[in-house]
Amino acid sequence: EDKVVQSPLSLVVHEGDTVTLNCSYEVTNFRSLLWYKQEKKAPTFLFMLTSSGIEKKSGRLSSILDKKELFSILNITATQTGDSAIYLCAVWDQAGTALIFGKGTTLSVSS
Amino acid sequence: ETGVTQSPTHLIKTRGQQVTLRCSSQSGHNTVSWYQQALGQGPQFIFQYYREEENGRGNFPPRFSGLQFPNYSSELNVNALELDDSALYLCASSSPGLASVNEQFFGPGTRLTVL
Repeated sequence: EDKVVQSPLSLVVHEGDTVTLNCSYEVTNFRSLLWYKQEKKAPTFLFMLTSSGIEKKSGRLSSILDKKELFSILNITATQTGDSAIYLCAVWDQAGTALIFGKGTTLSVSS
Repeated sequence: ETGVTQSPTHLIKTRGQQVTLRCSSQSGHNTVSWYQQALGQGPQFIFQYYREEENGRGNFPPRFSGLQFPNYSSELNVNALELDDSALYLCASSSPGLASVNEQFFGPGTRLTVL
């Protein structure tokens, strides 16, 4: 059965800290892994990773995929209160039709 | 380019009633997927529509049904509502081609409360 496990489930940090969010997965016929940020309702797209070892970067956020060990990490440096959100990790299922999501990591950044 | 839109934003129904949720896909996207997100959980796949036909379905009972229209907009219908149907319902659209190598873009969701 395809599944995604995220850790930790919740995290509280101070502004300026660096955080690492983890995502491990099991899926037949891996296609790609996606990260989303969900603040109130709509998950907003952050990254899509298809190749191992290639870091994707956007400002203070970066992510990398390890297809051998079946995991990905999302790093956020110099955190700000605006980074407070739920971060969701997902992989396409074996049919390539549905995204399988983890439960998410709730990040709270205090000032 | 307009993003994914959904209506209504909030809805309150009672057990046994029926509900219809609507979604307009992002411009140029011909694939629409629906997800249910219960509190504290990640979104769960309900079904996907591609060129007006169901193209995959998750583990949801038949009382969850859908439609896609020629302009690629979509509806999610839920009959005989149950308390556990209370959730955020998200619509997502993908660009043409093999969806699984593309990003999926989500709408703002409809918050359904069943009393």
